[in-house]
Amino acid sequence: DSGVTQTPKHLITATGQRVTLRCSPRSGDLSVYWYQQSLDQGLQFLIQYYNGEERAKGNILERFSAQQFPDLHSELNLSSLELGDSALYFCASSLGTGNSPLHFGNGTRLTVT
Amino acid sequence: AQTVTQSQPEMSVQEAETVTLSCTYDTSESDYYLFWYKQPPSRQMILVIRQEAYKQQNATENRFSVNFQKAAKSFSLKISDSQLGDAAMYFCAYRSPSTGTASKLTFGTGTRLQVTL
Repeated sequence: DSGVTQTPKHLITATGQRVTLRCSPRSGDLSVYWYQQSLDQGLQFLIQYYNGEERAKGNILERFSAQQFPDLHSELNLSSLELGDSALYFCASSLGTGNSPLHFGNGTRLTVT
Repeated sequence: AQTVTQSQPEMSVQEAETVTLSCTYDTSESDYYLFWYKQPPSRQMILVIRQEAYKQQNATENRFSVNFQKAAKSFSLKISDSQLGDAAMYFCAYRSPSTGTASKLTFGTGTRLQVTL
């Protein structure tokens, strides 16, 4: 158990809809990262927050947004969903320093129909 | 931008044998961190081993060890005494420390390891 909690585990929704994915980091971790993994693909970095502030942005679509709350949990909002957004979305957390590893949650499997 | 390349999409090893997974990376930085993550069929991402670039000694974790060649920008993973539970997708990842807290992991495309009896 990595200590990172992601909910829900599975999500099935229709095109055009909006969903929210939630992540609770490990106790003590200040940094939260979101990654997208499409079928049989590598992990694509979306965005990172550190102690409530956005710190790095990857190839995140404008239809996607995220935030980290004062209690350090994070939410990833996906709107105007398209079939191609179907993927496994991972949240990871770390202390935030360079050598501290990322600990991953079990992911949220999003299926857009 | 840093890139990570895993040139072996698939590898196969017999149980109890040794296998080496390759990883190369491109960077202009002198200090950085490298990681191997394992993703079994459950899709969970599990940290296998990590290496700091400033350390010359190769990292070892039980049956897992790395061969870190900084000049060649190579970071291979050796799995000894392979077990059925080692079957998974293995991802090599790079992390820069230079941006402080903005230090994301950049992943390679992965190598799928099969373990046969």
